[in-house]
Amino acid sequence: DAGVIQSPRHEVTEMGQEVTLRCKPISGHNSLFWYRQTMMRGLELLIYFNNNVPIDDSGMPEDRFSAKMPNASFSTLKIQPSEPRDSAVYFCASSRDVGYEQYFGPGTRLTVT
Amino acid sequence: QQQVKQSPQSLIVQKGGISIINCAYENTAFDYFPWYQQFPGKGPALLIAIRPDVSEKKEGRFTISFNKSAKQFSLHIMDSQPGDSATYFCAASKGSARQLTFGSGTQLTVLP
Repeated sequence: DAGVIQSPRHEVTEMGQEVTLRCKPISGHNSLFWYRQTMMRGLELLIYFNNNVPIDDSGMPEDRFSAKMPNASFSTLKIQPSEPRDSAVYFCASSRDVGYEQYFGPGTRLTVT
Repeated sequence: QQQVKQSPQSLIVQKGGISIINCAYENTAFDYFPWYQQFPGKGPALLIAIRPDVSEKKEGRFTISFNKSAKQFSLHIMDSQPGDSATYFCAASKGSARQLTFGSGTQLTVLP
């Protein structure tokens, strides 16, 4: 079975541009998590969904960040406008349900210049 | 506020040696303590996890030791191998939602 799929794997953009990161969870999983990893702050949970509904977005750093899950097989994390401090690796993870093991995707390395 | 403190930041061990990574937590409501392993360019992968009702859990060469009164837990890797070279993260969560709070990570290098 395919694991969590993220695209793109690498994204380089200029400050002020809109960035959209994409995630396809493992089929049959109904919980989805977005994380951000930086050297300074480590791994941080940004938001998580259960059955396509955002449950907790308290980790979203500011209004420039938004996440959607229009169906069980697709989620997006959007940053508009992007800033250099948004440069990080963004991971998507999914689990069978809340409380079960989370499987991480390979991540998207975002660089904002 | 760092709720899970991890040490050391980096660790170098000879092949066959024991690698020990420590974590301490503050929130007594945490009830699930997993360890994740991350290789360069990959996402973290669950290695082993423990709940506070046991003091130790062993899976192959990997053991978690848990001290509830001290609010500390540690990962022991026995007979460390070069293939174990990776970054290890401890984490903690509470409640059914399993929202993970991660430690800062330990970069382990096992020398051949």
